[in-house]
Amino acid sequence: GENVEQHPSTLSVQEGDSAVIKCTYSDSASNYFPWYKQELGKGPQLIIDIRSNVGEKKDQRIAVTLNKTAKHFSLHITETQPEDSAVYFCAASLNTGGFKTIFGAGTRLFVKA
Amino acid sequence: GAGVSQSPSNKVTEKGKDVELRCDPISGHTALYWYRQSLGQGLEFLIYFQGNSAPDKSGLPSDRFSAERTGGSVSTLTIQRTQQEDSAVYLCASSLIADNEQFFGPGTRLTVL
Repeated sequence: GENVEQHPSTLSVQEGDSAVIKCTYSDSASNYFPWYKQELGKGPQLIIDIRSNVGEKKDQRIAVTLNKTAKHFSLHITETQPEDSAVYFCAASLNTGGFKTIFGAGTRLFVKA
Repeated sequence: GAGVSQSPSNKVTEKGKDVELRCDPISGHTALYWYRQSLGQGLEFLIYFQGNSAPDKSGLPSDRFSAERTGGSVSTLTIQRTQQEDSAVYLCASSLIADNEQFFGPGTRLTVL
């Protein structure tokens, strides 16, 4: 089945710096790749997603890149702010008759003011 | 509008007892997912419902776990003969259609003593 690896597990950056989180997936049939942000005590919330027919997508300070050949995708946050501090999860989804979403283990991002 | 709601928010039970966790998805959402999140860990897929199709149960960890979705809306996750390793936060999510943004509830924190 699908497996999603996420690195790093913890990331600490200075306010204003960029943060990059990387994920790899195993099933080449996966075609939808969302990123979620989870704040303490809350459920995850979608921040950006990308589909397999697109290589890059950007939304203000957040961007995601996808390399289908290498089966990896990355989240880029520029000009980080303290409120970006949270746990970030990547995920890969594929339609196998059902629709299963497999999440990475998460990256805890600390933005130091 | 109202988001995904889950009840109870916290549940403490004794080993061997059965528990029922409830999820009310966003009205009109056809897809519903259950995940388990252990402390500091990622999201483990449990089960997925899509409309009237047979659910994808491939993530359920044992036959003590079951879930149903009545009338295409409310879902109940049942854990029979609970074990201490069942202690976790159980998250429910819904999406308008499969392969789309999932909206998460706040979760139910289950503690098995």
